[in-house]
Amino acid sequence: DAGVTQSPTHLIKTRGQQVTLRCSPKSGHDTVSWYQQALGQGPQFIFQYYEEEERQRGNFPDRFSGHQFPNYSSELNVNALLLGDSALYLCANKWGTQYFGPGTRLLVL
Amino acid sequence: GENVEQHPSTLSVQEGDSAVIKCTYSDSASNYFPWYKQELGKGPQLIIDIRSNVGEKKDQRIAVTLNKTAKHFSLHITETQPEDSAVYFCAASNAGGTSYGKLTFGQGTILTVHP
Repeated sequence: DAGVTQSPTHLIKTRGQQVTLRCSPKSGHDTVSWYQQALGQGPQFIFQYYEEEERQRGNFPDRFSGHQFPNYSSELNVNALLLGDSALYLCANKWGTQYFGPGTRLLVL
Repeated sequence: GENVEQHPSTLSVQEGDSAVIKCTYSDSASNYFPWYKQELGKGPQLIIDIRSNVGEKKDQRIAVTLNKTAKHFSLHITETQPEDSAVYFCAASNAGGTSYGKLTFGQGTILTVHP
């Protein structure tokens, strides 16, 4: 058990809307990474948060933003949703050996 | 940036047979190579990992080998069981560098073990 929780488990939105996904890492783990996994693909790195700051970012547009709270939990925000944003969104705790949560399945119609 | 290629995309074996999945990476600075198993509707689960200072690591029926010169690493599953059926992903990262452990994944291998 990775100890990483994510909410919600599933979400349906329409194009142009905004969405917020949440992640709580295992207690004491101060780093959160977010990944996007399209159907049939491997996860792709979105960004990583450490000590409430974005430490590194992958090749994702500014529509994707995040936040980390003092208790190390994190949010992923996506604005102006596109059909192509439909995917499983995963968060992982720690850097180095990363353990993933169950993910949030986002469907954009 | 790093690029990871994974083969085969699908693999079908009989129960009890061995399964081998291969990955190549492009960035010589990568030094950490985990393997994940993902079952339907779940997040990836770490099953084994290897660091660049060793060439092989085993954990019961699972083993991983690494060839740094060829930039190649492989997952070996022996005595496969139906519950091994899942999608397997390899990944690579530079755990100690400025990428802060960002993982680059392969495209995945769908493993089916027939009873």
